[in-house]
Amino acid sequence: DVKVTQSSRYLVKRTGEKVFLECVQDMDHENMFWYRQDPGLGLRLIYFSYDVKMKEKGDIPEGYSVSREKKERFSLILESASTNQTSMYLCASSFPNYEQYFGPGTRLTVT
Amino acid sequence: GQNIDQPTEMTATEGAIVQINCTYQTSGFNGLFWYQQHAGEAPTFLSYNVLDGLEEKGRFSSFLSRSKGYSYLLLKELQMKDSASYLCAVRDGAGGGNKLTFGTGTQLKVEL
Repeated sequence: DVKVTQSSRYLVKRTGEKVFLECVQDMDHENMFWYRQDPGLGLRLIYFSYDVKMKEKGDIPEGYSVSREKKERFSLILESASTNQTSMYLCASSFPNYEQYFGPGTRLTVT
Repeated sequence: GQNIDQPTEMTATEGAIVQINCTYQTSGFNGLFWYQQHAGEAPTFLSYNVLDGLEEKGRFSSFLSRSKGYSYLLLKELQMKDSASYLCAVRDGAGGGNKLTFGTGTQLKVEL
């Protein structure tokens, strides 16, 4: 079975803090993705990566950055957390042109 | 860009059949996915359509009409555990690789 893991299920941070969300997959997938999910807005793509050291902006990249130094790991970085970044963050991975597999999510609260 | 519409909520009875519709407008199309998401859990893959027609997988079937920009997910013999949110997602064919755009999801409630 494909396994996508995320570093934390719940996280509470203060406004202005730098936040790192980590995602690891064990299926040698080339593609990795970061989404946020908010009520009434659904899943929205923040960033994605086709390969190591490659990244592409999604639909809502503002306030975020990413890092992919190894194939299995994709990190989402909030440079200076703000209250409007309180959300559920979901990581996913896939082979090209195949279905995406999601991690369990990190519920981030910024106070 | 993509625009995806699906009903916000639906209610159905255990043992019945329910159809969840999804319409989309897209600048490029390279496949449509359905995912199931239980409350507090990650989305899980249900089905994939890239050609017109019906794909059947056990109690779940998915249909696609590319000319109409329309898909539906059909759930038969409903069970209480089918209560979940069902997400329609379109893959961008315009150089977007495996990028998906999701609808806001349809919350299905199965009642006795």
